[in-house]
Amino acid sequence: DADVTQTPRNRITKTGKRIMLECSQTKGHDRMYWYRQDPGLGLRLIYYSFDVKDINKGEISDGYSVSRQAQAKFSLSLESAIPNQTALYFCATSDRQGARQETQYFGPGTRLLVL
Amino acid sequence: AQTVTQSQPEMSVQEAETVTLSCTYDTSESNYYLFWYKQPPSRQMILVIRQEAYKQQNATENRFSVNFQKAAKSFSLKISDSQLGDTAMYFCAFGSGNTGKLIFGQGTTLQVKP
Repeated sequence: DADVTQTPRNRITKTGKRIMLECSQTKGHDRMYWYRQDPGLGLRLIYYSFDVKDINKGEISDGYSVSRQAQAKFSLSLESAIPNQTALYFCATSDRQGARQETQYFGPGTRLLVL
Repeated sequence: AQTVTQSQPEMSVQEAETVTLSCTYDTSESNYYLFWYKQPPSRQMILVIRQEAYKQQNATENRFSVNFQKAAKSFSLKISDSQLGDTAMYFCAFGSGNTGKLIFGQGTTLQVKP
């Protein structure tokens, strides 16, 4: 089974709709991240969380919100989707300790299309 | 703020040959990590190699190795004996040892030709 899972894998929605993307991990990591990928821009950080009570904005948080329901779950919401939020979204996790500290492990991605 | 630049949007290489992907970064931090990730058509982000900034020795993982020039803030990836399965987009990333955040470059699309 995959260590980091994302649901849904693909989603089509309409402008103005609220949607939630979910991420779960079985790696036991404290840190979780949400990124979006756009052609030619690489991945950009939306939000990140170091533990359940610690949530921080990334470089492009406008129009998004997050919830860290448990150590293993981190959800991203688009309150009112707009077409320029069409992108590939990734969840990632990392550990502060150990031989692989600060290495981020990614989920399979969610492709979102906003019409 | 940290920045990561990959100046080669696209590259190609013949199967079995060697190719080098370039990456430069800018930072004032002393505690950081550098990564190369591979994204094949399946879109999964796969860790290729990682380098701790405090280590002088260049990291290697089988056919993949890096040339880490700390003073020049350069972190290139060399792929030896290229295989068709190496066809993918490759991202260079800077990881802050202070915040844990990753900053990605724009990516380089590599095509391995038979």
